[in-house]
Amino acid sequence: NAGVTQTPKFQVLKTGQSMTLQCAQDMNHNSMYWYRQDPGMGLRLIYYSASEGTTDKGEVPNGYNVSRLNKREFSLRLESAAPSQTSVYFCASSSGEQPQHFGDGTRLSIL
Amino acid sequence: SQKIEQNSEALNIQEGKTATLTCNYTNYSPAYLQWYRQDPGRGPVFLLLIRENEKEKRKERLKVTFDTTLKQSLFHITASQPADSATYLCALRFSGGYNKLIFGAGTRLAVHP
Repeated sequence: NAGVTQTPKFQVLKTGQSMTLQCAQDMNHNSMYWYRQDPGMGLRLIYYSASEGTTDKGEVPNGYNVSRLNKREFSLRLESAAPSQTSVYFCASSSGEQPQHFGDGTRLSIL
Repeated sequence: SQKIEQNSEALNIQEGKTATLTCNYTNYSPAYLQWYRQDPGRGPVFLLLIRENEKEKRKERLKVTFDTTLKQSLFHITASQPADSATYLCALRFSGGYNKLIFGAGTRLAVHP
């Protein structure tokens, strides 16, 4: 019973490189979310997907794009990485208004 | 703007005592408030949810109160144990929005034997 799985767990990029963070959930949840967590700050919502086929911006969407590939998978893409995007990224899923279930994060460093 | 405040200083207590963590918010009409636990290197894990029309919620050694007049929630862990050491996050779901949560920065709790 994996829950929410994020890959990779760690990544180092150079400024300007691109990459995609992957997230998959096996709980048949309709809604999925991407957050970033920085020291001294709360989790901040980047994008969310209320259901398959829909995506919406959250609090800090600039510099990111998302794809809801199917009900299970929700990916986050950095087209041209910047040092300000160094952070820990968390994916979460939920069923409607139920509490969110989180993955264990991707630790991303951009040099 | 919407803001949630949690004590940024770590809370250090002795085993067996009650830990009390505070979550204050401004400019919200919250539908409900949630508390999550986060261990180092792990994602948050849901603990309790309390709705705006509820004053108190309990689950085993955990208790949450919600005062919408004071705009404050208190999270209590009774008979604390070293295994309770973690960072605790509060999150608000505000009325009228989709299931989007606004998170506080969290308070780190250290329970000493």
